[in-house]
Amino acid sequence: DTAVSQTPKYLVTQMGNDKSIKCEQNLGHDTMYWYKQDSKKFLKIMFSYNNKELIINETVPNRFSPKSPDKAHLNLHINSLELGDSAVYFCASSQARSYNTQYFGPGTRLTVL
Amino acid sequence: GENVEQHPSTLSVQEGDSAVIKCTYSDSASNYFPWYKQELGKRPQLIIDIRSNVGEKKDQRIAVTLNKTAKHFSLHITETQPEDSAVYFCAAGSGYSTLTFGKGTMLLVSP
Repeated sequence: DTAVSQTPKYLVTQMGNDKSIKCEQNLGHDTMYWYKQDSKKFLKIMFSYNNKELIINETVPNRFSPKSPDKAHLNLHINSLELGDSAVYFCASSQARSYNTQYFGPGTRLTVL
Repeated sequence: GENVEQHPSTLSVQEGDSAVIKCTYSDSASNYFPWYKQELGKRPQLIIDIRSNVGEKKDQRIAVTLNKTAKHFSLHITETQPEDSAVYFCAAGSGYSTLTFGKGTMLLVSP
């Protein structure tokens, strides 16, 4: 009964390809997030999304786009992958106005060759 | 927006010693301060949190203190054990804003 799950766990691809990472939460939360964690371990927020509002970190290239088919899912699409996109990507979820405790997925390690 | 500074970036202690990690934040509207532990290759996991209506919270060997006037909060780990070795993140936010994370502290506990 994993609370926040992501697939795939590992993703190895060539530069220029387009890829997607899927995220699902079964906590009934209304807000989901995508984070990028680089080799220095910094957790950088990329997007936060609930059924009303998408907040984009302005430093995120528009090659990255979140897509949410429903409240329990927030997928991350990446177009024209670059070497610098290599990182671990974490999905998270929380219940807004409930102190926003965030619960993280297991992460997806993306390697761009 | 919120800005969270975390120190130190690395911390080495001997088993049984105490470890203290400190964070400062900038937005006086923040009222929620969680701490996450991330073991190597794993996800960040919540270990303790504190809300602005309390100054201190303790859970076994872990405690967190909050000084809202000075806008800083700290994580205290007593009687450290090798399994405490991990990266620790502080964060600040509220129910109406997303969390802002510090840059992390790598704690190494040597036997």
